[in-house]
Amino acid sequence: EDQVTQSPEALRLQEGESSSLNCSYTVSGLRGLFWYRQDPGKGPEFLFTLYSAGEEKEKERLKATLTKKESFLHITAPKPEDSATYLCAVQGEKTSYDKVIFGPGTSLSVIP
Amino acid sequence: DTEVTQTPKHLVMGMTNKKSLKCEQHMGHRAMYWYKQKAKKPPELMFVYSYEKLSINESVPSRFSPECPNSSLLNLHLHALQPEDSALYLCASSLGTGGFYGYTFGSGTRLTVV
Repeated sequence: EDQVTQSPEALRLQEGESSSLNCSYTVSGLRGLFWYRQDPGKGPEFLFTLYSAGEEKEKERLKATLTKKESFLHITAPKPEDSATYLCAVQGEKTSYDKVIFGPGTSLSVIP
Repeated sequence: DTEVTQTPKHLVMGMTNKKSLKCEQHMGHRAMYWYKQKAKKPPELMFVYSYEKLSINESVPSRFSPECPNSSLLNLHLHALQPEDSALYLCASSLGTGGFYGYTFGSGTRLTVV
C-alpha cells in the first residue's frame, strides 16, 4: 500500500532562515510526487510535480527535489507570507490514475 | 477563468436535512473531485468524475450522493448526515487524470452537522 509521511510536523523559522521539509514515500513504482501549499480555511494550491529521482523544480523561494525514497522542499530566505501547511502527495503505478495519496503535511510558521 | 468556485462557503444542517454542495469550473478540466478534510488532517478522496462519469467512489456512505450534470458542474447531495461528517468539503478539478498537471482546488464548504 502506498504511504507518505512528512517531517517535521511543525516548523517555526525566523524570516530569512532557510530550511527544508521532508516527504518520505513508499510506493510500488512512482508515477509522480506532488507538492501543495494550503493556507488556513482554503483549498490546497498546487506547487510542483516531480517524476523521477534527481529531478528538481523551483518557484520563487521554493525548490523541490526528489530521490528514490524521499522528496525535500527547500525554502530559501523565507518570508512571513510563506507561512502555510505544505502537503506532499504521491501516485504509484498500482493506484488508479485518478487518485493521489496525501501526506499529513508540515505546518510552517515564518516569524518576522 | 482559473478558479474552482464552491458554494455555499459555510453550511449548518440538521441530521434530518437535505442539502447540496455545488462546485463549478470553466477551465475545460475533464476530471473533477470531492475531498473531505478534517482539522489538521490531509484531504481524503471521496469521489472522482472523469469525463462526466463516476470513476472512483472511495466507499463513501450513501448519505453522500455525487452528481455531475455536465463537464463544468459537480454537486454533492447530502442527506441524513451525522455530526462526525462535519468537515471542510473541497472540490478540485484537473486538466486530465493523474494529477500530473496539478489539481485546482476550490476554497471549500465548511459543513457543520448539528
